[in-house]
Amino acid sequence: SAVISQKPSRDICQRGTSLTIQCQVDSQVTMMFWYRQQPGQSLTLIATANQGSEATYESGFVIDKFPISRPNLTFSTLTVSNMSPEDSSIYLCSVSTRLEQFFGPGTRLTVL
Amino acid sequence: AQSVTQLDSQVPVFEEAPVELRCNYSSSVSVYLFWYVQYPNQGLQLLLKYLSGSTLVKGINGFEAEFNKSQTSFHLRKPSVHISDTAEYVCAVTAYNQGGKLIFGQGTELSVKP
Repeated sequence: SAVISQKPSRDICQRGTSLTIQCQVDSQVTMMFWYRQQPGQSLTLIATANQGSEATYESGFVIDKFPISRPNLTFSTLTVSNMSPEDSSIYLCSVSTRLEQFFGPGTRLTVL
Repeated sequence: AQSVTQLDSQVPVFEEAPVELRCNYSSSVSVYLFWYVQYPNQGLQLLLKYLSGSTLVKGINGFEAEFNKSQTSFHLRKPSVHISDTAEYVCAVTAYNQGGKLIFGQGTELSVKP
């Protein structure tokens, strides 16, 4: 299993600013994922982050808007840039080990 | 590409009644299937998974699900629910060649009433 922590747990931000979300895992993992859950919608994958390479973004998500860092096998950050109210969501990181995926507690972001 | 459809957004049931939460998927390749549960104010927790073998999979808290390849379904069942089963249940799928990348359904809110 894997225990994942995220910071911050929630934040309220102003339009046009950026927020960086941190994800820490208690064990070394190859693949980390970032998801978004907008109100009333399903979890949507933003990108896959592998250590030592650039993140792979899903359709509809771009690096300029959601830059990701993966400096080592236990840590990753997701930045939500130039925020608008449409970015208000829960952002989750997850890791995959042996086909089982573990999720962090999420970061609840509200953009005013 | 894979997709998941959960046909019921909300399912209200009375305590001790049976429940079935429906999940259908589409995929052109073999898949692995999962059910996650999210209790109020908590994170996602794996309830059960189908990887291979027996099509009837048992999970935590008395839940089970049956993989039906011909109907591309993975419905979740419990013969008798408790108030504590009130939660959001999310079905997910990944293909064997996707490195664990999950595609999620919209979720079903199970509400158990006394």
